[in-house]
Amino acid sequence: EPEVTQTPSHQVTQMGQEVILRCVPISNHLYFYWYRQILGQKVEFLVSFYNNEISEKSEIFDDQFSVERPDGSNFTLKIRSTKLEDSAMYFCASKQTGTPIGEQYFGPGTRLTVT
Amino acid sequence: DAKTTQPTSMDCAEGRAANLPCNHSTISGNEYVYWYRQIHSQGPQYIIHGLKNNETNEMASLIITEDRKSSTLILPHATLRDTAVYYCIVRDGATNKLIFGTGTLLAVQP
Repeated sequence: EPEVTQTPSHQVTQMGQEVILRCVPISNHLYFYWYRQILGQKVEFLVSFYNNEISEKSEIFDDQFSVERPDGSNFTLKIRSTKLEDSAMYFCASKQTGTPIGEQYFGPGTRLTVT
Repeated sequence: DAKTTQPTSMDCAEGRAANLPCNHSTISGNEYVYWYRQIHSQGPQYIIHGLKNNETNEMASLIITEDRKSSTLILPHATLRDTAVYYCIVRDGATNKLIFGTGTLLAVQP
Protein backbone atom coordinates (compact mmCIF):
# COMPACT_ATOMS: atom_id res chain seq x y z
CA GLU A 1 0.00 0.00 0.00
CA PRO A 2 1.42 3.44 -0.92
CA GLU A 3 2.51 5.58 1.99
CA VAL A 4 4.01 8.95 2.79
CA THR A 5 7.69 8.79 3.72
CA GLN A 6 9.76 11.32 5.62
CA THR A 7 13.47 11.83 6.12
CA PRO A 8 15.32 12.02 8.37
CA SER A 9 13.49 10.25 11.17
CA HIS A 10 15.42 12.31 13.74
CA GLN A 11 17.28 15.56 13.23
CA VAL A 12 19.36 17.26 15.89
CA THR A 13 20.45 20.81 15.23
CA GLN A 14 21.83 23.78 17.07
CA MET A 15 19.78 26.89 17.67
CA GLY A 16 20.09 29.31 14.78
CA GLN A 17 20.87 26.66 12.19
CA GLU A 18 18.78 25.97 9.11
CA VAL A 19 17.06 22.62 8.72
CA ILE A 20 15.24 21.03 5.83
CA LEU A 21 12.75 18.28 6.48
CA ARG A 22 11.90 16.09 3.53
CA CYS A 23 8.74 14.28 2.57
CA VAL A 24 7.76 12.07 -0.32
CA PRO A 25 3.96 12.18 -0.61
CA ILE A 26 1.90 9.39 -2.14
CA SER A 27 2.56 9.53 -5.86
CA ASN A 28 -0.86 10.51 -7.24
CA HIS A 29 -1.63 13.00 -4.46
CA LEU A 30 -1.62 16.70 -5.27
CA TYR A 31 -2.42 18.31 -1.91
CA PHE A 32 0.33 18.49 0.67
CA TYR A 33 0.45 19.51 4.30
CA TRP A 34 2.80 19.98 7.22
CA TYR A 35 1.73 19.57 10.83
CA ARG A 36 3.76 19.55 13.99
CA GLN A 37 3.34 18.10 17.47
CA ILE A 38 5.30 19.39 20.41
CA LEU A 39 5.90 16.62 22.94
CA GLY A 40 2.75 15.98 24.96
CA GLN A 41 0.67 18.51 23.03
CA LYS A 42 -1.87 18.46 20.21
CA VAL A 43 -1.13 17.99 16.55
CA GLU A 44 -1.06 21.49 15.01
CA PHE A 45 -1.54 22.50 11.39
CA LEU A 46 1.28 24.49 9.81
CA VAL A 47 0.64 24.83 6.09
CA SER A 48 -1.16 23.40 3.09
CA PHE A 49 0.20 23.44 -0.45
CA TYR A 50 -1.48 22.87 -3.79
CA ASN A 51 -0.62 23.68 -7.38
CA ASN A 52 2.83 24.92 -6.38
CA GLU A 53 1.64 27.47 -3.92
CA ILE A 54 0.62 27.79 -0.30
CA SER A 55 -3.14 27.57 0.02
CA GLU A 56 -3.33 28.12 3.76
CA LYS A 57 -0.96 28.66 6.66
CA SER A 58 -1.28 28.98 10.40
CA GLU A 59 0.05 31.66 12.72
CA ILE A 60 2.90 29.32 13.59
CA PHE A 61 4.09 29.36 9.99
CA ASP A 62 5.97 32.66 10.12
CA ASP A 63 8.79 33.99 7.95
CA GLN A 64 11.21 31.45 9.39
CA PHE A 65 9.32 28.67 7.64
CA SER A 66 9.07 27.89 3.95
CA VAL A 67 7.86 25.00 1.85
CA GLU A 68 8.86 23.83 -1.56
CA ARG A 69 8.15 21.11 -4.04
CA PRO A 70 11.52 21.05 -5.79
CA ASP A 71 10.68 18.19 -8.12
CA GLY A 72 7.82 15.86 -8.92
CA SER A 73 8.20 13.75 -5.82
CA ASN A 74 9.60 15.69 -2.86
CA PHE A 75 7.93 18.20 -0.58
CA THR A 76 10.16 20.04 1.87
CA LEU A 77 9.79 22.18 4.97
CA LYS A 78 12.64 24.58 5.69
CA ILE A 79 13.18 26.33 8.99
CA ARG A 80 15.69 29.13 8.41
CA SER A 81 16.94 29.80 11.89
CA THR A 82 15.80 27.23 14.38
CA LYS A 83 14.73 28.09 17.91
CA LEU A 84 14.49 25.88 20.95
CA GLU A 85 10.69 25.99 20.70
CA ASP A 86 10.82 24.48 17.22
CA SER A 87 11.65 21.13 18.82
CA ALA A 88 8.76 18.87 17.86
CA MET A 89 7.61 16.01 15.66
CA TYR A 90 6.90 17.28 12.17
CA PHE A 91 4.41 15.34 10.10
CA CYS A 92 3.90 15.59 6.38
CA ALA A 93 0.54 14.59 4.91
CA SER A 94 -0.91 14.32 1.43
CA LYS A 95 -4.34 14.04 -0.11
CA GLN A 96 -5.69 12.79 -3.39
CA THR A 97 -7.67 15.01 -5.73
CA GLY A 98 -11.38 14.39 -5.51
CA THR A 99 -11.44 13.10 -1.97
CA PRO A 100 -12.69 15.07 1.02
CA ILE A 101 -10.29 17.59 2.54
CA GLY A 102 -10.16 15.60 5.73
CA GLU A 103 -8.95 12.37 4.18
CA GLN A 104 -5.26 13.05 4.58
CA TYR A 105 -2.49 10.47 4.81
CA PHE A 106 0.33 11.18 7.20
CA GLY A 107 3.96 10.17 7.20
CA PRO A 108 5.78 8.74 10.21
CA GLY A 109 7.23 12.09 11.17
CA THR A 110 10.62 13.70 11.72
CA ARG A 111 11.64 14.36 15.29
CA LEU A 112 13.44 17.71 15.36
CA THR A 113 15.54 18.46 18.41
CA VAL A 114 16.99 21.95 18.70
CA THR A 115 19.77 22.34 21.26
CA ASP B 1 -10.36 25.21 18.62
CA ALA B 2 -11.68 21.74 17.92
CA LYS B 3 -15.44 21.53 17.31
CA THR B 4 -15.75 18.14 18.98
CA THR B 5 -15.87 16.75 22.52
CA GLN B 6 -14.53 13.32 23.40
CA PRO B 7 -13.88 11.47 26.66
CA THR B 8 -10.28 11.70 27.78
CA SER B 9 -9.77 7.96 28.07
CA MET B 10 -11.48 4.59 27.75
CA ASP B 11 -10.63 0.98 28.40
CA CYS B 12 -11.67 -1.99 26.34
CA ALA B 13 -11.04 -5.72 26.73
CA GLU B 14 -9.17 -7.41 23.92
CA GLY B 15 -11.55 -9.08 21.49
CA ARG B 16 -14.50 -6.93 22.51
CA ALA B 17 -15.99 -4.07 20.56
CA ALA B 18 -14.65 -0.62 21.37
CA ASN B 19 -17.24 2.15 21.08
CA LEU B 20 -15.75 5.64 21.06
CA PRO B 21 -18.23 8.50 21.35
CA CYS B 22 -17.90 12.02 20.01
CA ASN B 23 -20.11 15.07 20.38
CA HIS B 24 -20.21 17.66 17.59
CA SER B 25 -23.34 19.61 18.37
CA THR B 26 -22.39 22.64 16.25
CA ILE B 27 -21.74 20.69 13.08
CA SER B 28 -23.02 22.28 9.87
CA GLY B 29 -25.06 20.48 7.26
CA ASN B 30 -22.21 19.96 4.79
CA GLU B 31 -19.43 19.15 7.25
CA TYR B 32 -18.00 15.66 7.40
CA VAL B 33 -16.98 13.84 10.56
CA TYR B 34 -13.50 12.31 10.36
CA TRP B 35 -11.80 9.84 12.65
CA TYR B 36 -8.06 9.45 12.99
CA ARG B 37 -5.87 7.63 15.44
CA GLN B 38 -2.31 8.12 16.62
CA ILE B 39 -0.32 5.24 17.97
CA HIS B 40 2.43 6.38 20.32
CA SER B 41 3.78 9.48 18.52
CA GLN B 42 3.51 7.94 15.07
CA GLY B 43 1.81 9.94 12.34
CA PRO B 44 -1.96 10.21 12.64
CA GLN B 45 -3.72 7.49 10.70
CA TYR B 46 -6.95 8.13 8.81
CA ILE B 47 -9.66 5.67 9.81
CA ILE B 48 -13.01 6.67 8.35
CA HIS B 49 -15.29 9.59 7.60
CA GLY B 50 -19.00 10.18 7.15
CA LEU B 51 -21.56 12.85 6.43
CA LYS B 52 -25.02 11.52 7.30
CA ASN B 53 -25.12 7.79 6.72
CA ASN B 54 -23.40 5.14 8.74
CA GLU B 55 -20.15 3.97 7.19
CA THR B 56 -18.06 0.84 7.44
CA ASN B 57 -14.64 -0.06 6.13
CA GLU B 58 -12.02 -2.67 6.91
CA MET B 59 -10.92 -0.82 10.03
CA ALA B 60 -14.07 0.40 11.70
CA SER B 61 -17.69 1.46 11.56
CA LEU B 62 -18.99 4.98 12.03
CA ILE B 63 -22.46 5.58 13.40
CA ILE B 64 -23.79 9.13 13.06
CA THR B 65 -26.98 10.12 14.85
CA GLU B 66 -29.88 11.36 12.78
CA ASP B 67 -29.46 14.94 14.04
CA ARG B 68 -25.70 14.64 13.31
CA LYS B 69 -24.82 16.08 16.69
CA SER B 70 -22.87 13.04 17.76
CA SER B 71 -21.19 9.95 16.38
CA THR B 72 -19.61 6.72 17.55
CA LEU B 73 -16.59 4.96 16.14
CA ILE B 74 -16.78 1.21 16.55
CA LEU B 75 -13.79 -1.10 16.43
CA PRO B 76 -15.58 -4.46 16.25
CA HIS B 77 -12.88 -6.68 17.74
CA ALA B 78 -10.27 -4.59 19.52
CA THR B 79 -6.71 -5.86 19.68
CA LEU B 80 -3.75 -4.66 21.73
CA ARG B 81 -2.47 -2.91 18.61
CA ASP B 82 -5.57 -0.71 18.63
CA THR B 83 -4.30 1.04 21.76
CA ALA B 84 -3.96 4.64 20.59
CA VAL B 85 -5.34 8.15 20.85
CA TYR B 86 -8.47 8.44 18.70
CA TYR B 87 -9.42 11.83 17.28
CA CYS B 88 -12.85 12.85 16.10
CA ILE B 89 -12.55 15.86 13.78
CA VAL B 90 -15.06 18.11 12.10
CA ARG B 91 -13.34 20.26 9.55
CA ASP B 92 -13.83 23.97 10.15
CA GLY B 93 -15.68 25.54 7.25
CA ALA B 94 -13.72 26.09 4.05
CA THR B 95 -10.33 25.62 5.64
CA ASN B 96 -7.88 23.04 4.37
CA LYS B 97 -6.63 22.09 7.77
CA LEU B 98 -7.49 19.39 10.25
CA ILE B 99 -7.90 20.72 13.79
CA PHE B 100 -6.91 18.03 16.25
CA GLY B 101 -8.24 18.08 19.78
CA THR B 102 -6.91 16.01 22.63
CA GLY B 103 -8.77 12.87 21.54
CA THR B 104 -9.62 9.73 23.50
CA LEU B 105 -6.85 7.46 24.73
CA LEU B 106 -8.16 3.95 24.15
CA ALA B 107 -6.35 1.34 26.20
CA VAL B 108 -7.06 -2.23 25.07
CA GLN B 109 -6.50 -4.58 27.97
CA PRO B 110 -5.44 -8.24 27.58
